[in-house]
Amino acid sequence: DGGITQSPKYLFRKEGQNVTLSCEQNLNHDAMYWYRQDPGQGLRLIYYSQIVNDFQKGDIAEGYSVSREKKESFPLTVTSAQKNPTAFYLCASSIGASNTGELFFGEGSRLTVL
Amino acid sequence: AQTVTQSQPEMSVQEAETVTLSCTYDTSENNYYLFWYKQPPSRQMILVIRQEAYKQQNATENRFSVNFQKAAKSFSLKISDSQLGDTAMYFCAFMRGNSGGYQKVTFGTGTKLQVIP
Repeated sequence: DGGITQSPKYLFRKEGQNVTLSCEQNLNHDAMYWYRQDPGQGLRLIYYSQIVNDFQKGDIAEGYSVSREKKESFPLTVTSAQKNPTAFYLCASSIGASNTGELFFGEGSRLTVL
Repeated sequence: AQTVTQSQPEMSVQEAETVTLSCTYDTSENNYYLFWYKQPPSRQMILVIRQEAYKQQNATENRFSVNFQKAAKSFSLKISDSQLGDTAMYFCAFMRGNSGGYQKVTFGTGTKLQVIP
């Protein structure tokens, strides 16, 4: 089945530690995205990538980093510089930048900082 | 900048009844897309319905339909014959029409819908 796989589903981190969330897709989509979801705030864009080896900051990129070395993979690192990292993180993909907007989502990763 | 407003944080509906979720948006664009996404308790978000702004006819997908009022910048979602599986968070979203390159999708804050047996 084609889709987006995020791992881990739940993750606990101590303050000061970096953590990497995995996102893999087998939909052959060019574009991939990371969103942060907090109660009452909807989805906010962290980073996006339109093509391999290229990515751009979204609205709330501070304290996060990404890479796009393969078309299928778009990992997100939550660094110790992120002031409030406890949140639900969603990875998404779309056919390409030039599309009609449909996003395909993974099941999400919940990060809790202890 | 575009904004999307969902003024109903939570709603409930009896099974088999009809419910309407509200969404308003603000834009100066004439060419854009509007979406409703559903996020069930299992968390994988899926697209429910999409509307192109240049189309006057309201989009329909089975029990889901929209009331698109372009002048009023309103985009409500009607769910007919509500089912238990419709229990989810619903997000309204906006995207500018493609003029080349990346177009950001802006999401509302969501409406949590509970279908009551």
